[in-house]
Formats: sequence, C-alpha cells, structure tokens
Amino acid sequence: DVKVTQSSRYLVKRTGEKVFLECVQDMDHENMFWYRQDPGLGLRLIYFSYDVKMKEKGDIPEGYSVSREKKERFSLILESASTNQTSMYLCASSSGGATYEQYFGPGTRLTVT
Amino acid sequence: GENVEQHPSTLSVQEGDSAVIKCTYSDSASNYFPWYKQELGKRPQLIIDIRSNVGEKKDQRIAVTLNKTAKHFSLHITETQPEDSAVYFCAASNQNYGQNFVFGPGTRLSVLP
Repeated sequence: DVKVTQSSRYLVKRTGEKVFLECVQDMDHENMFWYRQDPGLGLRLIYFSYDVKMKEKGDIPEGYSVSREKKERFSLILESASTNQTSMYLCASSSGGATYEQYFGPGTRLTVT
Repeated sequence: GENVEQHPSTLSVQEGDSAVIKCTYSDSASNYFPWYKQELGKRPQLIIDIRSNVGEKKDQRIAVTLNKTAKHFSLHITETQPEDSAVYFCAASNQNYGQNFVFGPGTRLSVLP
C-alpha cells in the first residue's frame, strides 16, 4: 500500500519567513510532485522531480524552490513567505513505469499572516 | 502548454440519478486522462483512467468516454449514492514526455438523499 506523508497538516507562518514543507513516500517511486490547491483553480503543479537531485519547474514555480536529496523525500521551500502563498499544498508520487497513477499525501494547509 | 477545462463547477443530483462531468483539453498529444475524487478533508484518489487508444472504460457504476477528435472526455456515474458526494478532478497528460498532469478546476458533486 503506497503511503505518502507530509510533515504538517496545518502550518501558520508570518510574512517573510522561510518555510519548509516535507514529503516522504515509502514505495521507491521515481517521480515526485508538489501542487497547490485553491478553490476554483484545481491542482496546479509547482515543481516536480523525476530523480534524485533533479527538479523541473511546473506551471507556477515563482516564489518556490525544491530539494530532492534522497529518493523518498521531496521538500518544497518558500524562501520568503507571502500572504498570496496561503493555500493547501499537496505532494504526490508515481512509480515512473507503465502505471501512471499519482498517489497524494494528506496535504498541508499553510496560512501566511 | 496543455489547458484543461471542466464543467460544470457544481452539480447536484438526486440519489439514484446519473451524473456527468465533462472536460476538454487543448494538446492533441495528450494520451492519458485520469479522474480523481477528493472527499471533504481527504486526499485526491484515482477512481478511473483512460488511455488514448481506448474510447470507453467502465468500472461498476463509473465510466469514462474519450473523444480524441473533439478533444474531450467525460465521467459518468450511474445510480449515484450519497458517498459519491465529493470534488472530482479530471486531468490530461502526455506520457511520452514525462508523467506530470494538468488538472481541471474540479466539479463539486452533491448527491441529495
């Protein structure tokens, strides 16, 4: 059973703070993704990674960076949090093989005040 | 890049009736189309998917149809039940060029008892 976990369910940070969101998967998946979810906008891809130390920009990378030092862990970094980054952040992983399904984590609700 | 539209944004049906959600995509190279269900407070989960070499796929009460010429695909839920109430997201992907998805904005389905 695939398990994707995220470090926090709820997070409150102040404007200008550096924020780290951690995601861990336990199925040896090649691919990992970070999305943000906002009402009426669906899930928008921020960054993704197909391998360790590899990263690619998604559709909305501005204001974010990522790190993938180990295969099972993918971190999203907000260098200087702003109020417009208040959102639900979802991590996902997929195997990279013939099965394309993405498995999602429970999400982190981030509020920037 | 790919753009996915989804309609309607909200849908209410009586228990036992059918529900249909429609999505259109812009990139004719897209070849994989999953549907995710997100119940309130939970993570999105894959419920059905279809690849571009297939026109229709069924799984019990759920079916997906794909029209490649018109670039649209639809989710059909028959004999709806209260537990079908959720937000449904469609997505499109070109699996020949990586495994990231572009999601639609979502449809909130309410099944009224």
